Amino acid sequence: SSVLTQPPSVSVAPGKTASITCGGNIVGGRNVHWYQQKPGQAPVVVIEYDSDRPAGIPERFSGSNSGNTATLTISRVEAGDEADYYCQVWDSTNDHPYVFGSGTKVTVL
Amino acid sequence: EVRLVESGGGLVKPGGSLRLSCAASGFTFKNAWMSWVRQAPGKGLEWVGRIKSRVDGGTVDYAAPVKGRFFISRDDSKNTVYLQMNSLEMDDTALYYCSEGRSYFDYWGRGTLVTVPS
Repeated sequence: SSVLTQPPSVSVAPGKTASITCGGNIVGGRNVHWYQQKPGQAPVVVIEYDSDRPAGIPERFSGSNSGNTATLTISRVEAGDEADYYCQVWDSTNDHPYVFGSGTKVTVL
Repeated sequence: EVRLVESGGGLVKPGGSLRLSCAASGFTFKNAWMSWVRQAPGKGLEWVGRIKSRVDGGTVDYAAPVKGRFFISRDDSKNTVYLQMNSLEMDDTALYYCSEGRSYFDYWGRGTLVTVPS
């Protein structure tokens, strides 16, 4: 089955920049979407189609995708950004079309 | 306002069955692709299955771990999607989310907890 690899954890000081990678063969040529999940809450999409921000998501959240790796970048990190982040790819040609990354816990120091 | 409300979770013995429901509102349900995504305690997100809209063929796909045991259906007259879970195993213990979206999951419910004890 397809695998999307993320670092288990990222620690960042307030005001600094956090970068979370999402890698795997399935990333190549496909769009990557990113979700933020805070404890006890459902996931919320923060980046769609590699780099688009849904309404209401701060400009501090940005995304990129090149080759087999996508990256979520959180600039000027705030305490409220502490959460788990998941990447996700849709492969419409596969009978298992939705794949989630393993998740990254972002800790704000 | 979009709302997805899951129900039907609970404690079930191994080998048992359970049917989850997800009531939707705030969008045109009949055109929506609906998925179930689960999250085991302390673990990551796992896609379970998806049903397309009837106009897109109504196709249902499942993740390998649940294929042949879980079945997704929809009732567009009730704006509701269902997840019938049979032959439940301990590894099926999770919070089950209902979500809407085609290439990604735009809207999520709050989830319903299914527990299959050892």
